Amino acid sequence: QVQLQESGPGLVKPSETLSLTCTVSGGSISSYYWSWIRQPAGKGLEWIGRIYTSGSTNYNPSLKSRVTMSVDTSKNQFSLKLSSVTAADTAVYYCARVNRLRFDYWGQGTLVTVSS
Amino acid sequence: DIQMTQSPSSLSASVGDRVTITCQASQDISNYLNWYQQKPGKAPKLLIYDASNLETGVPSRFSGSGSGTDFTFTISSLQPEDIATYYCQQYDNLPITFGGGTKVEIK
Repeated sequence: QVQLQESGPGLVKPSETLSLTCTVSGGSISSYYWSWIRQPAGKGLEWIGRIYTSGSTNYNPSLKSRVTMSVDTSKNQFSLKLSSVTAADTAVYYCARVNRLRFDYWGQGTLVTVSS
Repeated sequence: DIQMTQSPSSLSASVGDRVTITCQASQDISNYLNWYQQKPGKAPKLLIYDASNLETGVPSRFSGSGSGTDFTFTISSLQPEDIATYYCQQYDNLPITFGGGTKVEIK
């Protein structure tokens, strides 16, 4: 059974960079796209972007200038960096596996609060 | 971006009722439409993929239909454990976009 687990600081100061890692267990990270999705409290889901195990990326244009994703296949991990954060970036961040155009496995989510 | 419009935004129904949620895409997305269930404090769970295919392990009371721009998600007989918010999601074009969600409550 594939499992995903997000990790990283729960509190980030405004203007700094949010950094999260997703660790995949129970299966290989290879040959899939992997995504980050976020959800502000009480609101809907926003796709941040995706990364293939080759390192190829696609980002949501609304965040593209601030987003960097990377993958480390040796550790079965992929990561998200979001720069110049503001309070509007406060959300639960999920990592998910993309399987044939659908998100079939999700992490439990991690709350990131942007506050000084 | 493709806009996904879900309706209603919330509904209240009795146990055993048939529940229907609609999702309209701002342009033709073929059948590249998935449905997710999200319970409070939990990650979304895939229920239906490619508009009408039931994900493995998902109860058969859940179903989906549609293609092009108009899609429907149905719970044939609402159960107490179905209380959740349901989201549609398109994967025809990037960026991937989600509907605004439909919160389902028990009357």
